[in-house]
Amino acid sequence: QVQLVESGGGVVQPGGTLRLSCAASGFTFSRFAMNWVRQAPGKGLEWVALIRYDGIYKYYAESVQGRFNISRDDAKNTVYLQMNSLRIEDTAVYYCAKCGSDWTTLDSWGQGTLVTVSS
Amino acid sequence: QSVLTQPPSVSAAPGQKVTISCTGSSSNIGGYYVSWFQQLPGAAPKLLIYENDKRPSGIPDRFSGSKSGTSATLGITGLQTGDEAHYYCGTWNNSLTPRGVFGGGTKLTVL
Repeated sequence: QVQLVESGGGVVQPGGTLRLSCAASGFTFSRFAMNWVRQAPGKGLEWVALIRYDGIYKYYAESVQGRFNISRDDAKNTVYLQMNSLRIEDTAVYYCAKCGSDWTTLDSWGQGTLVTVSS
Repeated sequence: QSVLTQPPSVSAAPGQKVTISCTGSSSNIGGYYVSWFQQLPGAAPKLLIYENDKRPSGIPDRFSGSKSGTSATLGITGLQTGDEAHYYCGTWNNSLTPRGVFGGGTKLTVL
């Protein structure tokens, strides 16, 4: 059974940094692409980033390009999201989501971790 | 403003049928599979439909999906009060690099 557990959320000041982690289990982690998706309070879903199964290709939303970095450690079955130069508008619940065998499908989601950017 | 357009809300009585539309363009829906996600209050999103019309294991056949050109539709029959949730369509946008895109979400109310 696939399980994704996010951690690392919290309160940070504008301009600050935070690193989110997503621990995966129940599947062969190294074979699948992984994503981060966020949801601002009371708003809809916003895709943030994707890392391919081999870690070579990474894609980002325009809103986070150049500030966020997605990475993975297959030995630890963990995907990370390093968030720099945080802005108030980055406040959201951040979900980790696994791609299916077709990389276009987000087939499993974690419960999310809340990031609050506030002075 | 979301890249994919969904109605903000739909409603129907228990036992009835409802459809939710998702409209995009040739850069997204027209070129990629569409997924649908259900988000119950206070919960994480859950995959409901993938590759336009396929249901993951455990999703009842009351839920169906279709795609035509640059639009997709989610159908739910035999509505239950437990179906009250937000529903999101999602796909990818073929810009310089692939980027995920979602609709703004549709709130389903079962009257």
